[in-house]
Formats: sequence, structure tokens, C-alpha cells
Amino acid sequence: GAGVSQSPSNKVTEKGKDVELRCDPISGHTALYWYRQRLGQGLEFLIYFQGNSAPDKSGLPSDRFSAERTGESVSTLTIQRTQQEDSAVYLCASSSPAGHNEQFFGPGTRLTVL
Amino acid sequence: AQSVSQHNHHVILSEAASLELGCNYSYGGTVNLFWYVQYPGQHLQLLLKYFSGDPLVKGIKGFEAEFIKSKFSFNLRKPSVQWSDTAEYFCAVGRGSTLGRLYFGRGTQLTVWP
Repeated sequence: GAGVSQSPSNKVTEKGKDVELRCDPISGHTALYWYRQRLGQGLEFLIYFQGNSAPDKSGLPSDRFSAERTGESVSTLTIQRTQQEDSAVYLCASSSPAGHNEQFFGPGTRLTVL
Repeated sequence: AQSVSQHNHHVILSEAASLELGCNYSYGGTVNLFWYVQYPGQHLQLLLKYFSGDPLVKGIKGFEAEFIKSKFSFNLRKPSVQWSDTAEYFCAVGRGSTLGRLYFGRGTQLTVWP
């Protein structure tokens, strides 16, 4: 596809369950980012992958959060033992080295933890 | 720490009114600057960007922004808004010309009455 895709678009889970969110970046984009957007707030950085370099995990809020990326393709964000405060829209973005860090965003996954 | 401030959280205008949304950032080095827009029910998309050169940049739909380095500002303007400009607007800052996370403001909700 032409843009960044994410799945699922909506996820409702019970507190304590694990969830996995998927992101498919734009083909050829070496950089991939995860952000979180809570209601009424700006985007909060979570993690950044660039090629084969070690990811920048500085934004992950706790050790319940982890993410993986295989090469320069899809990425999965995993949240273990979900809490109600994890409820948010999780956004994925990708960018090209030639693009001055212009990031292209996916539609997001809306996570609701009951 | 890097921060991005958007001074107006909610702006309400009538059609044909002029718009200016403020954005200030705290990083002292070279920056890449962006305004993103999120229309109701849609995902984030780029409105305009500044990397270098002319500090007055023009984007889509008649929007423009001016980078004033001495004021650490990147304000968004439009001379005459339309009802279809109703959306949430986010200012974002990236460091230098390298890839990496963007720092986002909290967003400004613009409502335009016909």
C-alpha cells in the first residue's frame, strides 16, 4: 500500500491481558516510530527504530511495553498486563533518510482497557 | 529537556477570519519544524514543513508558517479560514537533519463556524 497501515484499528481488552499492535511502514522507509496519544493530549514518543541500529527505547513508559521490528519491515508493539491508563490511540509513523525526518503517520490503533 | 508549547488549546473563528496559531520550542540547536493537521475521523497528515532556507514556508490549503529563530517560534497562519479547516493542529520539532523522534505540542483544536 501507499501509506502506513496499522492493525487492529480498535482493540478492547480487559485489565491484565496482553495486547499486540501491528504497524506496516511505507516501503523503503528505514525509520519507524511509535507514539501514543491520550485523550486531549499531544503525541507522546514511545520508541524509534532505524535500520539495524539499536532502537531508541527512551520513551517506553514501563517494562510492560516492548516493541520489535524485523529488518525494515513490520513492527509490533506489545503491552503486557494492560492497565486502564494504557488506554490511548497508538500511532505508528515511518520516514525516509532523504526526507529530513518528515514522518508519515498511520491511522492508529485505539486501545481501550476495561 | 526539549519541549514544544502551543499556546492556544481551542480556537473558535467565523469563516473568513484570519488565523494565527502559536508554537514555541526550547531546543537551541538546528531544528526541523512541522505542522501536522488531524481532520475529524482522519489520521495525522503533514500541513507544512521547514528544513532550511526561506523562513516563510507555504503549505497545503493556503496555510503558511514563519520560522523566527531568535524567538524559537514557528507560528501557523492563514489569512481567511474556511469551515473545512475545522481540525486539530499539532506543531512538531525534530532535532537537526538527522532522523529521530519528533517533539509534539499538545495540539490546538480549531473550530470554524460557517
